[in-house]
This record gives sequence, structure tokens and C-alpha cells, in this order.
Amino acid sequence: QKEVEQDPGPLSVPEGAIVSLNCTYSNSAFQYFMWYRQYSRKGPELLMYTYSSGNKEDGRFTAQVDKSSKYISLFIRDSQPSDSATYLCACDQTGANNLFFGTGTRLTVIP
Amino acid sequence: EAQVTQNPRYLITVTGKKLTVTCSQNMNHEYMSWYRQDPGLGLRQIYYSMNVEVTDKGDVPEGYKVSRKEKRNFPLILESPSPNQTSLYFCASTFIGTGRNTGELFFGEGSRLTVL
Repeated sequence: QKEVEQDPGPLSVPEGAIVSLNCTYSNSAFQYFMWYRQYSRKGPELLMYTYSSGNKEDGRFTAQVDKSSKYISLFIRDSQPSDSATYLCACDQTGANNLFFGTGTRLTVIP
Repeated sequence: EAQVTQNPRYLITVTGKKLTVTCSQNMNHEYMSWYRQDPGLGLRQIYYSMNVEVTDKGDVPEGYKVSRKEKRNFPLILESPSPNQTSLYFCASTFIGTGRNTGELFFGEGSRLTVL
């Protein structure tokens, strides 16, 4: 079983839609949870970072972590064509940069 | 501009011909790492380095070597490339230290390697 599982999509939504991206993980010791965004032909960039359970909001983006069910989510409100990218979830146990990545979900927002 | 620079960005080579992918960062980061990204498998760590002269294996180190002689540079060496090393490679770096870790790895733009 992989440490972090993520539906690869692809996911296509109309502009303005609410997008929900999800990952599950198997290691209950993970404490740090991240979402990275990767545009085509670019390296991943950190989008959201959460420590332990709870919600974190940044503009149109909300990250949720439910440690009881080992489930992490990223919500994008009022999605824009510029949000079209691959979104990677990542988990870390110790905060020492040993990240386990999901396979990524490719999102396309259609104008 | 703060950045992680990888070279070459694209390379086609043949089996057995030694090659080096260079990585350099200008942010004075202690931690540097190499990943490979493959469809359906995502990002997998090859090697990482916590500081100069300190390197360790990641999840998929077979067939690769690294060195960290200077803080800013972390080259990835393929001594005898094989077709199963055809992949997209990323170098990443970040700070280490209490209060400085935010999960933010800074990635280069990637090096696409094809081994024939």
C-alpha cells in the first residue's frame, strides 16, 4: 500500500465551480500536510501547509486535514482557468523534509 | 532572484553513457534533494543531503550517485544509465531548523532524461 493515495483524475470543471481534491494516507504518524501545485513543464510549488488536524484558508483555497480518517482535502472556490495545473498532496512525519507525495490530480478549469 | 537551477533541462542519451545533472541553489539552504517523477508513481525521492558532505538514500537510490561538496550544489550522477531511468528529475532545497520548516521545498524546473 502506498503511503499517500491520490486520485489522478483528470478533472475538468467550468470556470467558477468549486473544486474538491482529496488524498488518503496510511501512516498515522504523519503530522505535516501540504498541497503543491505544478504547472505544465514546471516544478511543484507549495500552495498550502497544515500542521495536524483542522482547516486552513488562504484566499480561494482551503485545506482540510482529518487525522481520524487519514483524509486530506483541498477546496478551490470560484475556480479560474489559471488554476489549471496538477495538484500534489504531500505528508511528512517529522517535519524534517521527508515528504511522501501523492501521484497528483490534473485539474483543468474551462473558461 | 531566489531559485533552484537544474541543467540540462532536456537530455537524450544511450545506455551506459555516464551523465551528470547539475543542481544549484542560491538561497543558502542546508537541505537538498533529488526526486524523479513518473506517471502513476508521482514524485519519489532518490537521494537527499542535510548539509555539506552529508548525504543519504531516499526511496529509489539504485543506479544513482550524489555528492555535496559545496552548500549550493548537489549534482545527480548516473554512472551507467539504463532505459528504466528515463524520467523527469527534480532537484529541491529548503532550510532546516527549528521554526524554519514550513514544508516548503523549492523545486527546480525539472530535467527530462531519455535513455535509449
